[in-house]
Amino acid sequence: DVKVTQSSRYLVKRTGEKVFLECVQDMDHENMFWYRQDPGLGLRLIYFSYDVKMKEKGDIPEGYSVSREKKERFSLILESASTNQTSMYLCASSFPSGYGYTFGSGTRLTVV
Amino acid sequence: GESVGLHLPTLSVQEGDNSIINCAYSNSASDYFIWYKQESGKGPQFIIDIRSNMDKRQGQRVTVLLNKTVKHLSLQIAATQPGDSAVYFCAENRGRRALTFGSGTRLQVQP
Repeated sequence: DVKVTQSSRYLVKRTGEKVFLECVQDMDHENMFWYRQDPGLGLRLIYFSYDVKMKEKGDIPEGYSVSREKKERFSLILESASTNQTSMYLCASSFPSGYGYTFGSGTRLTVV
Repeated sequence: GESVGLHLPTLSVQEGDNSIINCAYSNSASDYFIWYKQESGKGPQFIIDIRSNMDKRQGQRVTVLLNKTVKHLSLQIAATQPGDSAVYFCAENRGRRALTFGSGTRLQVQP
């Protein structure tokens, strides 16, 4: 069964901490994405990557960075976590055409 | 539990009835559409997709209809079951590699 795996289901971090959210896919997908999901706002794209070491900003990149050193792994980094970054974070991957768009189970991050 | 979609429109149906969930999209250049189902505490799961050169596509108990004239997409679920209760999202590919998602509709199935 093909999978997108997010390393943590729940995380609690303190304001100002550096936070790493990890995502691994086993489908040999070129594209990988990070979204955040908030009540009433739906899914909003933070960053995406269409190749190793390549990245593009999404709709809400402020306060975030990403790293893609290997094709199967895409990391989201909160350089200095703030309470307004408390959210559900979803990773996804797909083929370049957009087909096969598959999500992970999500990481619920709480910043206190 | 999962607090996704506190302010979502809600569709309530009786078990066994057919459900129709609607979605409007804005970009006439979008060429690929997907419906996702999201259960509480889980990531969105693929249900069915359709390309813009089609008007209708059927899966198991689900049908997607695409009306490009009015930029409207619908998901029909036949014989709705309690396990169909979830939030449903439509998504469109606007050609920038990443999908754009609608805000979602909550489907509640009454026994």
